[in-house]
Amino acid sequence: ETGVTQTPRHLVMGMTNKKSLKCEQHLGHNAMYWYKQSAKKPLELMFVYSLEERVENNSVPSRFSPECPNSSHLFLHLHTLQPEDSALYLCASSQDRNTGELFFGEGSRLTVL
Amino acid sequence: AQTVTQSQPEMSVQEAETVTLSCTYDTSESDYYLFWYKQPPSRQMILVIRQEAYKQQNATENRFSVNFQKAAKSFSLKISDSQLGDAAMYFCAYRSEWIQGAQKLVFGQGTRLTINP
Repeated sequence: ETGVTQTPRHLVMGMTNKKSLKCEQHLGHNAMYWYKQSAKKPLELMFVYSLEERVENNSVPSRFSPECPNSSHLFLHLHTLQPEDSALYLCASSQDRNTGELFFGEGSRLTVL
Repeated sequence: AQTVTQSQPEMSVQEAETVTLSCTYDTSESDYYLFWYKQPPSRQMILVIRQEAYKQQNATENRFSVNFQKAAKSFSLKISDSQLGDAAMYFCAYRSEWIQGAQKLVFGQGTRLTINP
């Protein structure tokens, strides 16, 4: 347990559905991240929030919409996804500038039919 | 742009033996951080070891150590006395920049390590 909780752990959705992934960190960190993990590919950084402000959008399609209502919570709203969006979505948080360590959740496994 | 390459998609080792995972990276910066992360089958990724580029001494954490070759842009991970619990995906990562207090990590493709009893 690293203090970062993601829900749901598994999600199956159709291409016309709207769903959301939730991430909560209990570590008092001030930065949160969404990464996409696909098989045999490097982790892809999607979004970065620092002090609840989005500071990075790594050319992510608009069908992914992040939200950070406070420093402890991060959401990823999903709508009209494509089958190639099926992947493991990882949330992470960080605080300490000097150590550079990210603390990850267990991920949400998304399947788009 | 910085890139991280792990050329070994899969590795296996006998329990109690030593294994080395390879990583190379590309950067024009002189000061940066490198990391090895471990992702066990439960999928929660954790930090194994970090190396600061300005430090010449290789980092060590118990059975885990790195061979950092800055000129060659190489950063390998050595696991000594391998244990069954070491079985996982291992990711090499490079911290490319800070963004207003947050940080961008660039990850390699990962190496799946199997421990044979």
